[in-house]
Parts: sequence; C-alpha cells; structure tokens
Amino acid sequence: QQQVKQSPQSLIVQKGGISIINCAYENTAFDYFPWYQQFPGKGPALLIAIRPDVSEKKEGRFTISFNKSAKQFSLHIMDSQPGDSATYFCAASKKTSGSRLTFGEGTQLTVNP
Amino acid sequence: DVKVTQSSRYLVKRTGEKVFLECVQDMDHENMFWYRQDPGLGLRLIYFSYDVKMKEKGDIPEGYSVSREKKERFSLILESASTNQTSMYLCATRLAGGPTDTQYFGPGTRLTVL
Repeated sequence: QQQVKQSPQSLIVQKGGISIINCAYENTAFDYFPWYQQFPGKGPALLIAIRPDVSEKKEGRFTISFNKSAKQFSLHIMDSQPGDSATYFCAASKKTSGSRLTFGEGTQLTVNP
Repeated sequence: DVKVTQSSRYLVKRTGEKVFLECVQDMDHENMFWYRQDPGLGLRLIYFSYDVKMKEKGDIPEGYSVSREKKERFSLILESASTNQTSMYLCATRLAGGPTDTQYFGPGTRLTVL
C-alpha cells in the first residue's frame, strides 16, 4: 500500500524550463513533507521541506506548493539546469510516528543542455 | 557536517549466506534508519532505532534483523540472504528533538545475492 504516490516516473526538460513533480498522499495525519534529491552514487539529501500550515515554500529556484484539501504537494524547479539532473523523492511523516518517513516512488529528472 | 558511512559500496553474496551491513555516524544522532531502494518503489523502511538497544520494525522487516549496541553504529543483518534481497541499502540518521526532521543518508550499499 503506497501511502505517497509520485508522478511522473521520469521527466525530461530543456535547460531553462520548469520541472514539475507531483505527489499525493492518503494519510491526513501527515504533517511534514520533504523533498529529497539523489545524484548517482550518492545517498538522498534533503532539498526542501514544508509543513501544512503554509501553502508554498520557496528556496532559490525550488518551490514546494502544498494543497491540503486535495492532499497533494508538488516540487517546481524554475530555470532547470543540467546540474539538476537527479532522482527526486517526495516524502511525508507525522510527529506521532517518530518522524519516520514514507517515500514516494521517485522521479528521474533529466535536464538537457 | 554529518557523516554517515556504510561499510561497503558493493557486496556480492550467495543465497543462504548471513550478511552484515554496517552503518556508522559521527554526529551523535539518536535515530538511525535502514531503507532499501528499488526502481519504481522508492525507499522503503526496513527497521529503525530511536536510541541504543532500541529498534522498531518498519514497513518491510521480513528477512531482516538489526543491532544497535552503540549509539554511532547500526547494523542490518540478513539472516539467510535470498535473491529477492538484491537491492540498494541505505542508512540514515536523524537528530531527535532537533529543529528539523532532516534525515542524513549514507552513500548506500549495493547488494547482489546470487
């Protein structure tokens, strides 16, 4: 049972374009929604995270949009660069679970020069 | 900087062997986690530990056990390796009660069971 569903599985974007990755969750008790970025041969690393008291969080070229009523959140990468090519994972957790994360399936992003 | 190291980057074992994967962290984090990563399935939690000698099952604990005798070290044990345990294994740590819920990951161990 996948509690966090992520799409698309893969994404190809031209340099300078906008990359958008979507996630949907089922458990309304989730209260923390991070995105992790993984380069080949490396472990995932936290990119940006949001809590449900805000609808948007922006850090540089990366923005999380959060829709609590729809139980959806998305990652937007503005002005995508070849160096952004990586696998992106959304995740969710709830305080009562000791912050154990439930991850989405992952999206392999390729940004062409 | 948090450093999480895993004992091997690549490991090849035979079916039925007992396999030990080691994870060591240098930041005094209480929480440690073991995940496996498979294409199209994301990261799935195998076991986690809130503190020394404490452990809890994750979502897919069958066929695995763990040991946490010291705060900095968290071991994943495959009691009798099977081919369906061929995967990338990732260790992560988290500072309990810290200002964020960030998990810090090691580089992973790619295990192949023949």
